[in-house]
Parts: sequence; C-alpha cells; structure tokens
Amino acid sequence: EIVLTQSPGTLSLSPGERATLSCRASQSVSSSYLAWYQQKPGQAPRLLIYGASSRATGIPDRFSGSGSGTDFTLTISRLEPEDFAVYYCQQYGSSRELTFGGGTKVEIK
Amino acid sequence: QVQLVQSGAEVKKPGASVKVSCKASGYTFTSYAMHWVRQAPGQRLEWMGWINAGNGNTKYSQKFQGRVTITRDTSASTAYMELSSLRSEDTAVYYCARDPLIVVVVAATNYYYYYMDVWGKGTTVTVSS
Repeated sequence: EIVLTQSPGTLSLSPGERATLSCRASQSVSSSYLAWYQQKPGQAPRLLIYGASSRATGIPDRFSGSGSGTDFTLTISRLEPEDFAVYYCQQYGSSRELTFGGGTKVEIK
Repeated sequence: QVQLVQSGAEVKKPGASVKVSCKASGYTFTSYAMHWVRQAPGQRLEWMGWINAGNGNTKYSQKFQGRVTITRDTSASTAYMELSSLRSEDTAVYYCARDPLIVVVVAATNYYYYYMDVWGKGTTVTVSS
C-alpha cells in the first residue's frame, strides 16, 4: 500500500502570503492518480486539483498543483480568508485502492 | 444541479449493521462511479470502497473487506453502503463522492484519472451501547 505523507502538519500564515503544501508518496505515483481536496470544519471535502495539476471547475487560479513521481505540491499563491482550512492529497495505488494523506492545516497566523 | 443527498444520522449498537444511502441527481447516474469515504472525529479521510454505477463492479479497501457492501439501484439513481459488525471505532461521518471515470488517450496509451468531484454532505453514524 502506498502511504502519503503530508507536510507540514500545520502551516501558520497571514492572508496574502504564499502557502506551499507537500505530499510525498512512499512509492512512485502516476500523476493522473493524484488529487487535492480542501475541507473546512463541518463540511465535506471539495475537489481542488486532479491529475496532479489540473484545477477543478470553479477553483480560483491562485490554487496550483505540481509534481511527479513521489513528490507533489499544492501552492496557494496569495491566501484569502476563505482558504484557511485543511488540505488532503489522495492517490490511487497499484492495489486498486485509494488512500489519503494525513492532511495539512492552514491556519491564520 | 449535480448533487448527492445522503440519508440521515444513525445511532447503532455494537454488533449491528448500518446502511447509508446516497441519492444522485442532475447527471446520468450510470456514467459515473461512487466512492464511500469516512472520517472519524478529528481524523483523516479514509477510503472504504467504490462501485461503478454502470456495471455494478465494486472494489473494497482491504481494511473493510468482509464488513462493507456497496450496492446501487440504477432505477432510483441511488448508491448504498452497508457496514456490518459495528464497533465504537466505526463512529464517523460517512461520505459518498462521485468519480467521473475519466480516461484520456494519448498516443494510443490510456491514462486513467481517479478523483472525487462531487461529495454528499455526509451521514453521521454513532456506534454506542
């Protein structure tokens, strides 16, 4: 089973700053199998990025995804107040199972 | 608009079973797959399994194999997740989430995409004696 490790666990930033979130896989992952989600308290997750770098419908262009192999990154270029949330990466593995990372919480500094 | 409406909260005793429904609307149900994901309080998202709503094929997480059954009723555009032999650790919010089953062909090579683009609001299942 591929394990996804997200870092940092918590990111304390101010509105307007740049956020860089990491997702590292224990084995190489096809880029088309990598997605990112945002979750706010009491809400269901929301798809942000699929295929490692494609923005989902309606997602602002301040969100971008990059990476390949075992290292993937979600970047929020300028944090807006509504961006403070928990972010999860997700992959589909060779065992035909999906797994999620442990999440990165982006909090207001 | 596209939406997934889940059934209401459940309280179950240890050893019992729970069946959660997820009614889809606003799209062709059989052209997509449906995942089930759960989240225990304060914990990460945990994938349980999925069903291809078109052909009914399923795949379950090894962790839940033997305890979870995912089915669908195409006439009702509804997917179901049943979890048996409940224990306190199964207390969680259970989500259904749609997978668009995207395949991109590039130079005669199929690239499959796996992601969840629409989510239900979640169903809280509490297991307590």
